[in-house]
Amino acid sequence: QLQLQESGPGLVKPSETLSLTCSVSGGSIDSVSYYWGWIRQPPGKGLEWIGTIASGGSIYFNPSLKSRVTISIDTSKNQFSLNLDSVTAADTAVYYCARHVGIVPFFDYWGQGTLVTVSS
Amino acid sequence: EIVLTQSPGTLSLSPGERGTLSCRASQSVSNSYLAWYQQRPGQAPRLLIYGASSRAAGIPDRFSGSGSGTDFTLSISRLEPEDFAVYYCQQYGTSPFTFGPGTKVDIK
Repeated sequence: QLQLQESGPGLVKPSETLSLTCSVSGGSIDSVSYYWGWIRQPPGKGLEWIGTIASGGSIYFNPSLKSRVTISIDTSKNQFSLNLDSVTAADTAVYYCARHVGIVPFFDYWGQGTLVTVSS
Repeated sequence: EIVLTQSPGTLSLSPGERGTLSCRASQSVSNSYLAWYQQRPGQAPRLLIYGASSRAAGIPDRFSGSGSGTDFTLSISRLEPEDFAVYYCQQYGTSPFTFGPGTKVDIK
């Protein structure tokens, strides 16, 4: 059974960089069939797609966040990562990593999510 | 960006009743690339439906999806206690891939 697990600091100061890692177990991240994405959900609000990376390195971003987002993949560790620069309180959210099959991004496996709070 | 609107915001039903949830897009969703997710409190979303009408693996057949173009529907034929949750639609035909604001199904 595929499992995804987010990890990273739960508290980040304004203007700093939010960094999260998603560890994948029960399957290989290095497959041309799968893409790996980040989605976030502010407390009590809806879902927002942040971006997606393929094992080959192709990356797709939400334009609203593109200038601040970096997504990378480490197939040797079966992990992929998210960096979000210059954070503000508006970036406080539960961050999920998830998988989608092929280029069409409906997400069939999700991590449990991790709450990141931006506060001084 | 395609904006998704879900209605109603809250649907109050009793166990055993039928629920009908609507998702309307601001422009046509290409190839009916529309998914539905269920989210229970404190949990990650769970994929129910993709391609507007295809059930994901392990999803009970009381869940069904329909629609095309700009109007889509999720139906739950007989609500079970575990179905009381928030439901989101998502379009993945046009980047950026967007989600609706959700419909909360609560116990009447």
